[in-house]
Amino acid sequence: QQQVKQSPQSLIVQKGGIPIINCAYENTAFDYFPWYQQFPGKGPALLIAIRPDVSEKKEGRFTISFNKSAKQFSLHIMDSQPGDSATYFCAASKWETSGSRLTFGEGTQLTVNP
Amino acid sequence: DGGITQSPKYLFRKEGQNVTLSCEQNLNHDAMYWYRQDPGQGLRLIYYSQIVNDFQKGDIAEGYSVSREKKESFPLTVTSAQKNPTAFYLCASSIRTSGGAHTQYFGPGTRLTVL
Repeated sequence: QQQVKQSPQSLIVQKGGIPIINCAYENTAFDYFPWYQQFPGKGPALLIAIRPDVSEKKEGRFTISFNKSAKQFSLHIMDSQPGDSATYFCAASKWETSGSRLTFGEGTQLTVNP
Repeated sequence: DGGITQSPKYLFRKEGQNVTLSCEQNLNHDAMYWYRQDPGQGLRLIYYSQIVNDFQKGDIAEGYSVSREKKESFPLTVTSAQKNPTAFYLCASSIRTSGGAHTQYFGPGTRLTVL
């Protein structure tokens, strides 16, 4: 079963807070875990990604934590800003001979209040 | 100006009509993908193509068709057999780097509405 379960469905924080979005996967063959940010009416944009051999990756205010044994990974947004208000998707994929298929979580709608 | 373009941005279709959504990329990416996004849901894969003249069904291919005659282009046809086509359609492309990552980049999307 190639599922990725994402929580929470929605999240509201105050400016400066640290929202945390969690994802869990089932397929141990997945070898790539990206996070995408999507604003209304736009296509998703890659935010940050991690491979299974790394437990944490930081890019600016965004951090991915990865727990291979638990098959879970999470996104933390440090010092969140109102401009971070968007829908966030986690995803997972494995390289197949016919290309890379991304399996997406259902998304988290983040609202950062001023 | 490199990237992925999708057209039209908005598309209206009458029931029983086939419509074709355009996707073009000038990133020299080998693989291209079509996803469907419904409100409050994640993206679901319709079709993908790794090389020219070859493509595979995704999770929800019924009622859709694609072609890949050129590396840069991957049009999607929504046929009359698709019973609930109203959705936001996203095209993506990817290339595998030497480090093994296979990042997908998305276009701006086409919103299809059935009247």
